[in-house]
Order: sequence, then structure tokens, then C-alpha cells
Amino acid sequence: DGGITQSPKYLFRKEGQNVTLSCEQNLNHDAMYWYRQDPGQGLRLIYYSQIVNDFQKGDIAEGYSVSREKKESFPLTVTSAQKNPTAFYLCASRTTRGGMNEQFFGPGTRLTVL
Amino acid sequence: SQELEQSPQSLIVQEGKNLTINCTSSKTLYGLYWYKQKYGEGLIFLMMLQKGGEEKSHEKITAKLDEKKQQSSLHITASQPSHAGIYLCGADIRWTGNQFYFGTGTSLTVIP
Repeated sequence: DGGITQSPKYLFRKEGQNVTLSCEQNLNHDAMYWYRQDPGQGLRLIYYSQIVNDFQKGDIAEGYSVSREKKESFPLTVTSAQKNPTAFYLCASRTTRGGMNEQFFGPGTRLTVL
Repeated sequence: SQELEQSPQSLIVQEGKNLTINCTSSKTLYGLYWYKQKYGEGLIFLMMLQKGGEEKSHEKITAKLDEKKQQSSLHITASQPSHAGIYLCGADIRWTGNQFYFGTGTSLTVIP
């Protein structure tokens, strides 16, 4: 079945360590997105990518990095520079063809930094 | 993001009651999307609205986009416990580039 996978579902890291969250899609979507969700808040955009080898910063990109070497994959690295990394991270993708299209979301990764 | 204001922040209703959630922008929206989220899970797409005055329904959920394309409402008729969750509106806002913004969400609790 087509969809978006994120792994792992739960992740624990010590403070000061970098950590990479995986996001893979087999929907043949051009655009991919990373969001952060904190309790009581909506989703905030971290990074997005419209095509392979290109990505743009969202509203809260500081302390994060991404790569888009393949159409199917858009990994997010949470660096030690991110001051408050504990959060729920959501990856999404959508097609950019044919006008407006909804985003499809993965199940999310809950990151806890100890 | 402050581009989309969503209200109310939380809602507790008795099963069988109707309810409405609102999503407002100060700017014209080029696409308005409604999603539902269970706690700790990803978002499930509900409906997309594009044209001013457009209205769509699915089962007991109806979404509308006003003529100016700046406000949308999500209405649930005869609520059920299965409707409980967080409802989020999202929108394409072209003037900032090809990005996508979400409202802050509405937490819905349905009491049996």
C-alpha cells in the first residue's frame, strides 16, 4: 500500500546528541514537509522540499537540518543546537501537480531528550 | 503560525449535540484543508475547499468556505464519541511562497 512511514515511533536521546528522524514515502509525491507539534499548539513548519536536492526553511528551522537526495526520502536531523527538541515530529508529502492537493501525513515520531 | 486563527481551542459536548469549529485568516486563502488527529498520531485528511462559497459534506461533517475565502467552518451534526480528537485547519498561503500553514487546533471531547 502507498503511504508515508516514519521511524522510529518513539526516540530517546541524551542532551547534546544529534538525532536523525526518518521519513519515507512511496506515493511519488514531489513535495515533502517536516512539522513540529507541541502540546496545545498546532503544527509548525520546520523545512519543506518541492523537488529533489532542494529545500526551504520554514518558520522554525533553527537547530534542524534536512536533505533530499531521493524523491522518496526526507530525513530530519535534530542537532544539539536545537534548544528544546522534545516534541512530536510529523512528516508529510503531497503532489504538486493539478492545482491544490492535500498533504498526506506519516504516523509521527515522538522525540524525548533526556 | 498566526496566519490561521482557530476557535474554540477546546470543546466538550454531549453525544448527539451539534458543534461548529471556525478557522479564520486575515488574507485570502488559496486552498483550505480540514484534518483530524488522534492524540499521538498523524493527521487524517477530511476535506478540501477551494472556491468561495464552497461547501462539502462527508457523513455527519460539513465544511464551508466563505465567499471571501478568508473563513471556514466545520460543522458536526449529532456528534458521536468517534468524532473526538483534534481538528486542524490548514491552508495554502501563496503570498509567502509555496508553503502550508496550520491553525492551532480544536480539541473535541464527546461525552457519551
